[in-house]
Amino acid sequence: EAGVAQSPRYKIIEKRQSVAFWCNPISGHATLYWYQQILGQGPKLLIQFQNNGVVDDSQLPKDRFSAERLKGVDSTLKIQPAKLEDSAVYLCASSRQGARGVSSLHFGNGTRLTVT
Amino acid sequence: SQQGEEDPQALSIQEGENATMNCSYKTSINNLQWYRQNSGRGLVHLILIRSNEREKHSGRLRVTLDTSKKSSSLLITASRAADTASYFCATITQGGSEKLVFGKGTKLTVNP
Repeated sequence: EAGVAQSPRYKIIEKRQSVAFWCNPISGHATLYWYQQILGQGPKLLIQFQNNGVVDDSQLPKDRFSAERLKGVDSTLKIQPAKLEDSAVYLCASSRQGARGVSSLHFGNGTRLTVT
Repeated sequence: SQQGEEDPQALSIQEGENATMNCSYKTSINNLQWYRQNSGRGLVHLILIRSNEREKHSGRLRVTLDTSKKSSSLLITASRAADTASYFCATITQGGSEKLVFGKGTKLTVNP
């Protein structure tokens, strides 16, 4: 099966600019996740979708970050305006069912964002 | 917030040796998962162990879980240079939000 696709692979922007990331999950996976991974740290969950509904966005900085999942498939994550501390790798993952139970996550290769 | 904490933060061994990484967590869990991340890549799922299991094997991997101590260990036997990567434990807590929370990881270097 095809893996989780993310684009772009790299992005460099100046602070206060906006940026958007795109994710296409594995076909048939109902749950989609966006994680932020700062260098040297583990991934931190930003938002979790079940189909096209939000399950958890408790750690999403909603004043600047937004995400949507149209038709329960592809998803976009947007940052507007970006800050220096947003420099990180943004990872998209998908799974067959909700995180409860035995489902493992399949990750894309991520988008490395550098804010200057 | 990060639920799991891996130990050590970094580990360097020779090819053929065994590597052991530990993970401690704070609250009761439904299951615990281990992932590998090669440099510049996404995470890859290695193994999942449920809260009612004590040990699980997959190829050269052996995972143990001690819920009384809130800890898990990942053992990689007969390591290879290709095992060089960061290893993360991740937990799903009982009750509350059903999200997978990762630790900070152990960076393993296997020298040829």
